[in-house]
Amino acid sequence: KAGVTQTPRYLIKTRGQQVTLSCSPISGHRSVSWYQQTPGQGLQFLFEYFSETQRNKGNFPGRFSGRQFSNSRSEMNVSTLELGDSALYLCASSTGGELFFGEGSRLTVL
Amino acid sequence: AQSVTQPDIHITVSEGASLELRCNYSYGATPYLFWYVQSPGQGLQLLLKYFSGDTLVQGIKGFEAEFKRSQSSFNLRKPSVHWSDAAEYFCAVGSTSGGYQKVTFGTGTKLQVIP
Repeated sequence: KAGVTQTPRYLIKTRGQQVTLSCSPISGHRSVSWYQQTPGQGLQFLFEYFSETQRNKGNFPGRFSGRQFSNSRSEMNVSTLELGDSALYLCASSTGGELFFGEGSRLTVL
Repeated sequence: AQSVTQPDIHITVSEGASLELRCNYSYGATPYLFWYVQSPGQGLQLLLKYFSGDTLVQGIKGFEAEFKRSQSSFNLRKPSVHWSDAAEYFCAVGSTSGGYQKVTFGTGTKLQVIP
């Protein structure tokens, strides 16, 4: 069974731009969660989607958004990028128990 | 609100020595508890989990953890550390509320293994 796939793995953007990250969950997993990981803040929960509906949201500004498609694939978008958005963005899928993580998308904002 | 505390930011052990990583959680009911490991530049891999039942849980790579309700702890142990165990370890607590699961992570413990 294929694991969680995140694309792209690495990307560099400049301040003010926007970015879209993609996550393909494990087959059969309908829940997808997104986390931001930075050295100073650790793992911070962004949001969780289940069957195309956002069920839970962390404490991030409205510049951070996401969606989930009917095949459970998910995307997250960050608009008007700031330097502080540089981070490893991790996606995890679940059937309701443990989270299965992808390898992450490393975003650098210059 | 649920929370996790990992009091040790960084731990150094010699190869072959035993290891214990501490984790304390805060949650009103019986939580789901997890330990994850992260190698540099990688995602998180599940080492073990506790949902219910036996309080001593065996995981992958020779790790085990013990749930102690009275101490609100879920410490991770390994009897003999290998150089490949050098990584960052995260304890997490999960709960189900309103039909969805919320997982909160600790700040992590970075393990260095010296020969």
